[in-house]
Amino acid sequence: GAGVSQTPSNKVTEKGKYVELRCDPISGHTALYWYRQSLGQGPEFLIYFQGTGAADDSGLPNDRFFAVRPEGSVSTLKIQRTERGDSAVYLCASSLTTGGRNEQFFGPGTRLTVL
Amino acid sequence: EDQVTQSPEALRLQEGESSSLNCSYTVSGLRGLFWYRQDPGKGPEFLFTLYSAGEEKEKERLKATLTKKESFLHITAPKPEDSATYLCAVRGVYNQGGKLIFGQGTELSVKP
Repeated sequence: GAGVSQTPSNKVTEKGKYVELRCDPISGHTALYWYRQSLGQGPEFLIYFQGTGAADDSGLPNDRFFAVRPEGSVSTLKIQRTERGDSAVYLCASSLTTGGRNEQFFGPGTRLTVL
Repeated sequence: EDQVTQSPEALRLQEGESSSLNCSYTVSGLRGLFWYRQDPGKGPEFLFTLYSAGEEKEKERLKATLTKKESFLHITAPKPEDSATYLCAVRGVYNQGGKLIFGQGTELSVKP
């Protein structure tokens, strides 16, 4: 079946602009995760959803970052007033449920470049 | 605080030259150790999950093992197509909801 999809694959924006990144999880997966990966580093957790609610948003770096999952499927990561330091690959993952023996499956990522 | 350290940062092998990658971890109540493979420009691809010390899992030329402090990813007779970055991650008891803590990865290059 289809894996996790993310759009756009690349996004170039100017400092101060607003961006939205979209994630479509694997069908039937109730848990959805957002991570950020800088060059040469491992993914860093941002936020995860169980259903429609954000169960843990402890990784969001500041209040410019916000994520939603209104119908419990597709999620959107929103970044306001982008800064050059926000440049990274934003990864989305989904799993059947949270916790337990549930592996996370990742999408291809969105490469965000802030000029 | 849960932490993961991978070594070496980079590893160059000749085709057929077996070796091991190390993942050292500190976690409050391990609830899973995960290995992923990541190719350039792509998302991490799931390989293995290990849950308790002594557990081993194999897939083709790869074998993952787990102790109470570290995990090893053994690569037997590697081929050029095994070249990738290998990521290790842990889930601790305080993150049973699913948050993974990743290491920085080991970049493996296998030359023919």
